[in-house]
Amino acid sequence: GQQLNQSPQSMFIQEGEDVSMNCTSSSIFNTWLWYKQDPGEGPVLLIALYKAGELTSNGRLTAQFGITRKDSFLNISASIPSDVGIYFCSGNQFYFGTGTSLTVIP
Amino acid sequence: DTGVSQDPRHKITKRGQNVTFRCDPISEHNRLYWYRQTLGQGPEFLTYFQNEAQLEKSRLLSDRFSAERPKGSFSTLEIQRTEQGDSAMYLCALGIGLYNEQFFGPGTRLTVL
Repeated sequence: GQQLNQSPQSMFIQEGEDVSMNCTSSSIFNTWLWYKQDPGEGPVLLIALYKAGELTSNGRLTAQFGITRKDSFLNISASIPSDVGIYFCSGNQFYFGTGTSLTVIP
Repeated sequence: DTGVSQDPRHKITKRGQNVTFRCDPISEHNRLYWYRQTLGQGPEFLTYFQNEAQLEKSRLLSDRFSAERPKGSFSTLEIQRTEQGDSAMYLCALGIGLYNEQFFGPGTRLTVL
């Protein structure tokens, strides 16, 4: 299957800080999606990207589809405690990274 | 609310037993997917239905696994002769929209003792 590498693996930040995480692949993807998963629940779609170079925002979240189509990043601005969770990137809908675990310290 | 319910939410079973999970979309959706997620990993694709037809199966889906979607609405995933390595979260998702974004149910957590 397609290998998606997410970094960092985990992050511990203070409330109010900005967060940046990324996802890279050796393969080209036509779509990139970002999900958030809370413990014991299924992943929830945050942002979807459909074109290389596309930059999309959803509230405090901003994501970009890398120009090479092999990477994507997700930024969260002014983090709040409810941002805690595991963030997954997904390429072409069906391939998922290993996740970035985010902890926000109040 | 993603529009998908899964039952049961948790299942504990002994090795060698058979288990069956159910996925119920709230409304009609053509495309339904099953994934497996182990601890510390992202979801891994298992199989895909277009209405009642099972169109794709991953190599992860050994012959002990079978999935059905008899009327193109709800779906079941059965694991026969469970092994400890089957312990995982089993997620059902609907493919929605032109780009088939995955909308996940809450999952069934399976523990095989």
